[in-house]
Amino acid sequence: DQQVKQNSPSLSVQEGRISILNCDYTNSMFDYFLWYKKYPAEGPTFLISISSIKDKNEDGRFTVFLNKSAKHLSLHIVPSQPGDSAVYFCAARRAQKLVFGQGTRLTINP
Amino acid sequence: NAGVTQTPKFQVLKTGQSMTLQCAQDMNHEYMSWYRQDPGMGLRLIHYSVGAGITDQGEVPNGYNVSRSTTEDFPLRLLSAAPSQTSVYFCASSYMAGDNSPLHFGNGTRLTVT
Repeated sequence: DQQVKQNSPSLSVQEGRISILNCDYTNSMFDYFLWYKKYPAEGPTFLISISSIKDKNEDGRFTVFLNKSAKHLSLHIVPSQPGDSAVYFCAARRAQKLVFGQGTRLTINP
Repeated sequence: NAGVTQTPKFQVLKTGQSMTLQCAQDMNHEYMSWYRQDPGMGLRLIHYSVGAGITDQGEVPNGYNVSRSTTEDFPLRLLSAAPSQTSVYFCASSYMAGDNSPLHFGNGTRLTVT
């Protein structure tokens, strides 16, 4: 039972445009949500997070939106840069466990 | 500052062999965990520890054992390897369980079981 789902395995965006990555979850007990970025042959690195009591968090070019009623999370990257090409994982926390989605491969085209 | 160090980077085992994947962190983190990454499945939690002497099961614990005798180290043991355990394994740590500090990941161990 996949509690956190990223339904788009891949996304291709032109450099300078907005990238929007989506994530859905099923468990209303999740209290904290995170996005991680992963390059090949490296471990995931933390990007941005949001508490369940908020609906938006910004950090530079990255903004995370949380819609609790829809159980939906999204990551906006503006403007997209070539170095943003990577696999992005969303994750949701309940108690001491972090549950990850399947990942979305983002490719930024020049 | 090394962060989270995993060894080995690559390993090939035959079915039935045993081995230990090593994980060490130098950040004085209380919380440590092991994940496996498989295509189309994302990262799945195997075992985790909230402090020395305390371990618990994650989503996919079968076939794996862990122990936490020190704050720094959290080894993952495969007692009798199976082809289904072919995967990339990541160790991760954070300051404390349940706080908002993010997980720091190692660079992974790629394991192939033939």
